[in-house]
Amino acid sequence: ETGVTQSPTHLIKTRGQQVTLRCSSQSGHNTVSWYQQALGQGPQFIFQYYREEENGRGNFPPRFSGLQFPNYSSELNVNALELDDSALYLCASSLVAGPNNEQFFGPGTRLTVL
Amino acid sequence: AQSVTQPDIHITVSEGASLELRCNYSYGATPYLFWYVQSPGQGLQLLLKYFSGDTLVQGIKGFEAEFKRSQSSFNLRKPSVHWSDAAEYFCAVGAMEYGNKLVFGAGTILRVKS
Repeated sequence: ETGVTQSPTHLIKTRGQQVTLRCSSQSGHNTVSWYQQALGQGPQFIFQYYREEENGRGNFPPRFSGLQFPNYSSELNVNALELDDSALYLCASSLVAGPNNEQFFGPGTRLTVL
Repeated sequence: AQSVTQPDIHITVSEGASLELRCNYSYGATPYLFWYVQSPGQGLQLLLKYFSGDTLVQGIKGFEAEFKRSQSSFNLRKPSVHWSDAAEYFCAVGAMEYGNKLVFGAGTILRVKS
């Protein structure tokens, strides 16, 4: 069974650019959540996708957007990058939606905005 | 709104000594409670979870946690720490009323000295 994978591992962008991060969910999981982990902080919920539909969103501006594909993999897109967007972005998949379902995390994508 | 407090940013213990990491949450009803561990460069791994029932829950790697409703706490314990336990530990809370997100504490970095 393959776990959650994310690509790329590291990324460097400049302010104002756009970035796309990718996540492949664990086999059989139809729910993907994205979290932002700034240095020295705990992960913060960005949004969740369940069966290709957004299923909850945290306190992030609209320039953070996402997609989920029919195979349940997912993308996180961030437009107009700001310096504060520098963080580790974590993707987590779960068998079904709901806060009482174990979320399996990928290793993350480290984004640096210069 | 939900919040999670991990009062200790860093904890250092000797190998073989006992460990307790503190977690307090703010929420009216009984939430879903989790402890995750993150090693450097890794994603989050679930150690244990509490939804209902017995307030003492056992997890992987010899960890346990106790839910105390009266204190709104969910402290993580291990009777004898191994050097490989050095990592960052996150307490997280979920609740149906707040959607599908998990709210994480800021984390506690555990150092193990030999």
